[in-house]
Amino acid sequence: AQTVTQSQPEMSVQEAETVTLSCTYDTSESDYYLFWYKQPPSRQMILVIRQEAYKQQNATENRFSVNFQKAAKSFSLKISDSQLGDAAMYFCAYRSTVDNTDKLIFGTGTRLQVFP
Amino acid sequence: ETGVTQSPTHLIKTRGQQVTLRCSSQSGHNTVSWYQQALGQGPQFIFQYYREEENGRGNFPPRFSGLQFPNYSSELNVNALELDDSALYLCASLRDRGYNEQFFGPGTRLTVL
Repeated sequence: AQTVTQSQPEMSVQEAETVTLSCTYDTSESDYYLFWYKQPPSRQMILVIRQEAYKQQNATENRFSVNFQKAAKSFSLKISDSQLGDAAMYFCAYRSTVDNTDKLIFGTGTRLQVFP
Repeated sequence: ETGVTQSPTHLIKTRGQQVTLRCSSQSGHNTVSWYQQALGQGPQFIFQYYREEENGRGNFPPRFSGLQFPNYSSELNVNALELDDSALYLCASLRDRGYNEQFFGPGTRLTVL
């Protein structure tokens, strides 16, 4: 069974600085999808960025980028030029391509605090 | 806002009771998944419905059941509530099975006393 591990329960960053959130996963599959979701206090999960495992190029969405290391099964999220609105829980998630469902397997999350 | 709505926002029940939670999918989405998020944890997959049929279930007992209606709105029913059922319940809709982006609702916070 696949697992997702986020080893940083909390992180903090100064506004305008850069922060990296870590995620590792375990799978025997060769093709899969990885995601980072943001959950603000409003509770609504918002997709931040996604990565297809077959793509070697790291995904980038504006200030958000990932460092995808397939051999190491590592998928970290870098947030550049941090803003106060980035404060939230961040979840790393895995989705299989062979499962009959679209279920996401989530890590336990990292709470990001942004200080002015 | 994702276009996915859930009701009610909060709910308090007592042990042994039954509860129904509702989810309205984003327009054009025929697939919905339900997740349970315990305090301090990541969401756990309960089950998924595709075109009114359950097509997969996570490690949850049969007292967790669901329905998807022809308009693709959905219900999660939980019978014989236990204290450990206290959690945030999230639904997520997607345009079709296999499509990448899932859109989450704001959740229903269930407290079982």
